Amino acid sequence: AQTVTQSQPEMSVQEAETVTLSCTYDTSESDYYLFWYKQPPSRQMILVIRQEAYKQQNATENRFSVNFQKAAKSFSLKISDSQLGDAAMYFCAYRSVYSGYSTLTFGKGTMLLVSP
Amino acid sequence: SQTIHQWPATLVQPVGSPLSLECTVEGTSNPNLYWYRQAAGRGLQLLFYSVGIGQISSEVPQNLSASRPQDRQFILSSKKLLLSDSGFYLCAWSSDLHYGYTFGSGTRLTVV
Repeated sequence: AQTVTQSQPEMSVQEAETVTLSCTYDTSESDYYLFWYKQPPSRQMILVIRQEAYKQQNATENRFSVNFQKAAKSFSLKISDSQLGDAAMYFCAYRSVYSGYSTLTFGKGTMLLVSP
Repeated sequence: SQTIHQWPATLVQPVGSPLSLECTVEGTSNPNLYWYRQAAGRGLQLLFYSVGIGQISSEVPQNLSASRPQDRQFILSSKKLLLSDSGFYLCAWSSDLHYGYTFGSGTRLTVV
């Protein structure tokens, strides 16, 4: 079974600065998808960015980018020019492509605090 | 466009009472449906998933059950709630292997 580990329970950043959230995973599969979800205080889960394992190019969505290191099984999220609205819990997630139903496996999350 | 509705938003129930949480999806057909629970504001635990009407798979043994009476309806139930059932319950759907899930707004359940 796949596992996802987020080793940082909490991170802090100042507005306009850059912060990187770490995620590692364990799998024996060669093809899969990785995701970062944001959960603000409203608790609505919002998809931030996704990465397909067979693509070497790192995904980017505006101020959010990932550093995908397949050999190291690492998938970190970089948030540039941090804003107060970025404060939230961030979850890393893994999804297999080999299973017909393909459920998401989540890490335990990293709480991001943003200060003015 | 596709939307997912989940209700109620908040629920306070006594121990031993029944539970019914409902989730519906609009704008798509034959979605994969999921129930997750988030305890203590941390990680998400997959409870049930369904790939079609009447097809339910359970990930963890517990006193909860799920049903899918219609293509786009997913219900989470319990006959007798326990204190340990308290938490935040999220419904989600997916229909494309290339994308993550789309989540409902969640139900905060407090068992007293």
